[in-house]
Amino acid sequence: EVQLLESGGGLVQPGGSLRLSCAASGFTFNAFAMTWVRQAPGKGLEWVSSISGSGSSTYYTDSVKGRFTISRDNSKNTLYLQMNSLRAEDTAVYYCAKYRTTMIASAFDIWGQGTMVTVSS
Amino acid sequence: QSALTQPASVSGSPGQSITISCTGSSSDVGGYNYVSWYQQHPDKAPKLMIYEVTNRPSGVSNRFSGSKSGNTASLTISGLQAEDEADYYCSSYTNYIVVFGGGTKLTVL
Repeated sequence: EVQLLESGGGLVQPGGSLRLSCAASGFTFNAFAMTWVRQAPGKGLEWVSSISGSGSSTYYTDSVKGRFTISRDNSKNTLYLQMNSLRAEDTAVYYCAKYRTTMIASAFDIWGQGTMVTVSS
Repeated sequence: QSALTQPASVSGSPGQSITISCTGSSSDVGGYNYVSWYQQHPDKAPKLMIYEVTNRPSGVSNRFSGSKSGNTASLTISGLQAEDEADYYCSSYTNYIVVFGGGTKLTVL
């Protein structure tokens, strides 16, 4: 069964850091690009960042550039999101998701259950 | 990176058909055939319903269909059922990034 399981969320103070993890199983992890999408409480979906299958190419939404870093360890079938200089507006459920094909333009066909990040003093 | 425009809410009675629109620009919806639609029930992860404008993943009911004209994509749900009540989001690829719509709440009356 194809599965994604996020972890690492929690409560952090403004300016703090957090690292999210997403453990993948049931598919050839290094063949697919992966992404992080977040959803603030009561709000819509917002794309955050994507990474190619090899990890050599990364992409970010403007609001997190310079603060967040996406990475992956293909030997561990795990995706990461290092979040630094956190702000209150980063408070959200963070989902990891798998691209449907090897193309970075394709849709997200498998989603994790999400992990909550709360930035508050 | 402007969000795509969707109606905040739509509603319909069981058995009826509804259409949700998703308006972007020539840089996203109009420029690529990489529009997707996602269904999200409360406190659940999103689920892919339509990809590449018109295609349904395996297991998704054929009551769901997608289309596009110019800078506007649409999701049509026919034969509405109670279980279709959810939030629906469109998304489009554009120059290595992804933009989502604001979401549409579907109420089945």
